[in-house]
Amino acid sequence: RKEVEQDPGPFNVPEGATVAFNCTYSNSASQSFFWYRQDCRKEPKLLMSVYSSGNEDGRFTAQLNRASQYISLLIRDSKLSDSATYLCVVTLSGSARQLTFGSGTQLTVLP
Amino acid sequence: EAQVTQNPRYLITVTGKKLTVTCSQNMNHEYMSWYRQDPGLGLRQIYYSMNVEVTDKGDVPEGYKVSRKEKRNFPLILESPSPNQTSLYFCASSLVQGNDYGYTFGSGTRLTVV
Repeated sequence: RKEVEQDPGPFNVPEGATVAFNCTYSNSASQSFFWYRQDCRKEPKLLMSVYSSGNEDGRFTAQLNRASQYISLLIRDSKLSDSATYLCVVTLSGSARQLTFGSGTQLTVLP
Repeated sequence: EAQVTQNPRYLITVTGKKLTVTCSQNMNHEYMSWYRQDPGLGLRQIYYSMNVEVTDKGDVPEGYKVSRKEKRNFPLILESPSPNQTSLYFCASSLVQGNDYGYTFGSGTRLTVV
């Protein structure tokens, strides 16, 4: 079983739609959680950290469920510019800041 | 501008010819790391460094070497490249402390070994 699992997609949604991505992690002692965005052939960029209480940044909402070892990302009112691959990232306990990446979920927002 | 700089961006080389990919950051980050990204496999860690003169293996270290003689630089060395090391490589850095900090990535190096 992979340490961090994501639905690879692709998700093709119309502009303005709401789309949700899910991610599960296997190590219950995982400490920190992030969503990264990666555009084609470019470097991953931090989209947002994920907190236990849930957090929101504009059209983006991230949720963490430690009991179910589950992370989600919700994008509301999707824009063409949201088209990218979204990477779920977990810091494992005792790993001294080593990040474990999911394989990513590909999103295409269609006009 | 705070950034991680990798060079070269693109490199085509032949099997067995030693090469170095440079990585430099200007954010005074203690932690630096190298990843390779391959289709269907995602980002996998090659080596990481907690600070100057402190390096350790990641998940896929075979065929690679690193050094951390200065805080800002973390070069990746391929002593004898092979075709299975054809990949997209990313260098990244981070503060060691603080759970809210993600990594800052370089722009990537696309390496082809023929």
